[in-house]
Amino acid sequence: GAVVSQHPSRVICKSGTSVKIECRSLDFQATTMFWYRQFPKQSLMLMATSNEGSKATYEQGVEKDKFLINHASLTLSTLTVTSAHPEDSSFYICSAQKGTSGRSSYEQYFGPGTRLTVT
Amino acid sequence: GESVGLHLPTLSVQEGDNSIINCAYSNSASDYFIWYKQESGKGPQFIIDIRSNMDKRQGQRVTVLLNKTVKHLSLQIAATQPGDSAVYFCAENMSSGGSNYKLTFGKGTLLTVNP
Repeated sequence: GAVVSQHPSRVICKSGTSVKIECRSLDFQATTMFWYRQFPKQSLMLMATSNEGSKATYEQGVEKDKFLINHASLTLSTLTVTSAHPEDSSFYICSAQKGTSGRSSYEQYFGPGTRLTVT
Repeated sequence: GESVGLHLPTLSVQEGDNSIINCAYSNSASDYFIWYKQESGKGPQFIIDIRSNMDKRQGQRVTVLLNKTVKHLSLQIAATQPGDSAVYFCAENMSSGGSNYKLTFGKGTLLTVNP
């Protein structure tokens, strides 16, 4: 199997506070994980690529100091939204890449998502 | 810029009918394409994929067709069921440098199956 979990599934926080979201690959090791953001009725937009043991690669327009990514182990990546504002309210989805070569390097397995609401 | 888009944002079909969801892509260098199903409040679920060296691939009740000449991708669902109701996204896999790849998602099509 290839199961990816996220925690929490839903979180409500006050404006100005920070929120940490965890992404775990439960039955495989993932050198690479990805973080996406999805606004209502829109598509998934890649925020950053997280590589274990190295700095994340952020997509253009994504503030690395606001969205802190830590990929400290082969089964866990975290996304911290710092100084959250209402416009950061969104559905955050992670995915984990199962392999590092050949066909398996293409395969991403998605988590169930985390609904963040900033009040 | 490079993008993956969809022709139809919504599709409503009767239970038992066949559904066809379309997708246009613009990056001729993309070599791998995936269709995902996303139910409300959940993460994307893999449906089927296809490499650029193929023009058709079949799964259980689903078929993906790839036309590289016109950069068009389609997902066919046979005998559509109410449980197929969801948003469907196509995604193209692109190199992001070296051996790294990333997915670019299309806008999505909402499929509604009427009983």
